[in-house]
Amino acid sequence: ELKVEQNPLFLSMQEGKNYTIYCNYSTTSDRLYWYRQDPGKSLESLFVLLSNGAVKQEGRLMASLDTKARLSTLHITAAVHDLSATYFCAVEPFALRQLTFGSGTQLTVLP
Amino acid sequence: GAGVSQSPSNKVTEKGKDVELRCDPISGHTALYWYRQSLGQGLEFLIYFQGNSAPDKSGLPSDRFSAERTGGSVSTLTIQRTQQEDSAVYLCASSLLLSDTQYFGPGTRLTVL
Repeated sequence: ELKVEQNPLFLSMQEGKNYTIYCNYSTTSDRLYWYRQDPGKSLESLFVLLSNGAVKQEGRLMASLDTKARLSTLHITAAVHDLSATYFCAVEPFALRQLTFGSGTQLTVLP
Repeated sequence: GAGVSQSPSNKVTEKGKDVELRCDPISGHTALYWYRQSLGQGLEFLIYFQGNSAPDKSGLPSDRFSAERTGGSVSTLTIQRTQQEDSAVYLCASSLLLSDTQYFGPGTRLTVL
């Protein structure tokens, strides 16, 4: 059974600081996704990472993938309040066209 | 263009009743997925449809749950004889093809009293 573990589950950070969210998964995977969810809202796609060493950046967020370590990271640079949300990683295993999600990281950026 | 839409946005029902949840995928998307999100279980896959292929029902939690997709577009998720543990937000997603990015709808919040 595929397990996807995110940490931390809760993160409070000051504006302007940097931090990293970690996503570990237990089996080989075809691709890895990062989604954002605002309270009471649905999931918004942020990144899809397809291969070992993939790195994608959008604004203050950067995601990377190490398939050998079965680890993805979401790095936040110089956080701003608008980044406050819950971030999920999701893994799509080989030959299984369904997503297995991590528990989510609830990020609060404090002024 | 229009995103994935779901209806109703909220549904309150009594234990033992049947409910139907609807999903309209993004036009042209061939793959459609159902997930549910609950406090205790997080986000869980339920079922997906891809074109005319047989659906992958491996995530359905019991035989009270069923889904169909008519004409390769709209999908309905049906829960029979609802139980309190069925209370959750039911999310629908669609993608252009299998293994493309999945775009999620706003969800239906189901409360079983």
